[in-house]
Amino acid sequence: AQRVTQPEKLLSVFKGAPVELKCNYSYSGSPELFWYVQYSRQRLQLLLRHISRESIKGFTADLNKGETSFHLKKPFAQEEDSAMYYCALSGLQGAQKLVFGQGTRLTINP
Amino acid sequence: DTGVSQDPRHKITKRGQNVTFRCDPISEHNRLYWYRQTLGQGPEFLTYFQNEAQLEKSRLLSDRFSAERPKGSFSTLEIQRTEQGDSAMYLCASSFFRTRRIENEQFFGPGTRLTVL
Repeated sequence: AQRVTQPEKLLSVFKGAPVELKCNYSYSGSPELFWYVQYSRQRLQLLLRHISRESIKGFTADLNKGETSFHLKKPFAQEEDSAMYYCALSGLQGAQKLVFGQGTRLTINP
Repeated sequence: DTGVSQDPRHKITKRGQNVTFRCDPISEHNRLYWYRQTLGQGPEFLTYFQNEAQLEKSRLLSDRFSAERPKGSFSTLEIQRTEQGDSAMYLCASSFFRTRRIENEQFFGPGTRLTVL
């Protein structure tokens, strides 16, 4: 079964502190992993995907196949990072429908 | 605005009524997805189209739900005999899919919030 688990519904950190949003997945095969973000009153948008190995807005995420994890990290949080973050997976081929986790609301305190 | 658009943005209806939502994808995108999101949950896949063909439907999609994409452009999602449990945000997304291309960035619309009284 395809499943994405984000164990923290809420995460609150102070500005300048490191941030780590956890994501674990189960998938039989090689999935493609994503982080989507939804800022207040905006639509869901792609933040980053594992195949591109990019750093977007200071965020990085490494796919750990052994631990089936794809945690999102940022060394120094900024207030504008406050948002809802969703981890998602899809198959590399075929339908490519997204399976989302339940999301983590990140709040950066000044 | 060249992004994915959805209409209406909000819909309030009484239980038992039928509702229809529309999604206009990004013009060159050949794939169109519908998701449903309830409070406190991530989006859940409902169905998707490649051009005008509906290729997959989730088991979440009961017989009361029907989706179409008649000309491979816009899509409609109809819910017949609505129930209070249908209250949710209905999201549409589109992407450009090509065989052997492993990228799959789905662009989401703003959603239609349905409230069934």
